[in-house]
Amino acid sequence: DIQLTQSPSFLSASVGDRVTITCRASQGISSYLAWYQQKPGKAPKVLIYAASTLQSGVPLRFSGSGSGTEFTLTISSLQPEDFATYYCQQLNSYPLTFGGGTKVEIK
Amino acid sequence: QVQLQESGPGLVKPSQTLSLTCTVSGGSISNGGYYWSWIRQRPGKGLEWIGYIYYSGSSYYNPSLKSRLTISVDTSKNQFSLKLSSVTAADTAVYYCARSDYFDSSAPFDYWGQGTLVTVSS
Repeated sequence: DIQLTQSPSFLSASVGDRVTITCRASQGISSYLAWYQQKPGKAPKVLIYAASTLQSGVPLRFSGSGSGTEFTLTISSLQPEDFATYYCQQLNSYPLTFGGGTKVEIK
Repeated sequence: QVQLQESGPGLVKPSQTLSLTCTVSGGSISNGGYYWSWIRQRPGKGLEWIGYIYYSGSSYYNPSLKSRLTISVDTSKNQFSLKLSSVTAADTAVYYCARSDYFDSSAPFDYWGQGTLVTVSS
């Protein structure tokens, strides 16, 4: 199985901050990576797929980059509604796997 | 607008079989074009992909659960189902159903159910 390691696992930030989350894969996955946002008690919501493609309806302050084994999710200016947990997911091979999550909390 | 809705018992006894159904509305499973997956999230933990089924009945299971798992589809009811046998407390989780594009291997899970908590306890 491909392991995905997210860092940091916890992040404290203020509204307006630029935030970057990293996801490292245990082997190369090309650009087969997606990012999700999950709020308490809700299902995950896709933000980015194919490493850098913004899902329809997702604000432009979210962006993704990377390929191979290292990927980043960036929020250019953190908004109050962005405080949530973020997960990466690889779609390169089965079984599909997710990272352990990064919880973004208000400083 | 596609909607997915999980249903099933919220409490299952250890060693018994966990059974859940996902009902799809706003689109027909039998039209093809999508994988239909189950994903779970143990309390306070991350996400685990369980497996998928296609409308034809072809499926793929996570090897970690394969020996206990059956995923089936009923196109007449526009539903797909999960059965997980010999459950233990480690199977306590919120179970989600979700959809992804069959033709695009980079496609994420774009529609999810709201999730249903299943607790394994005597």
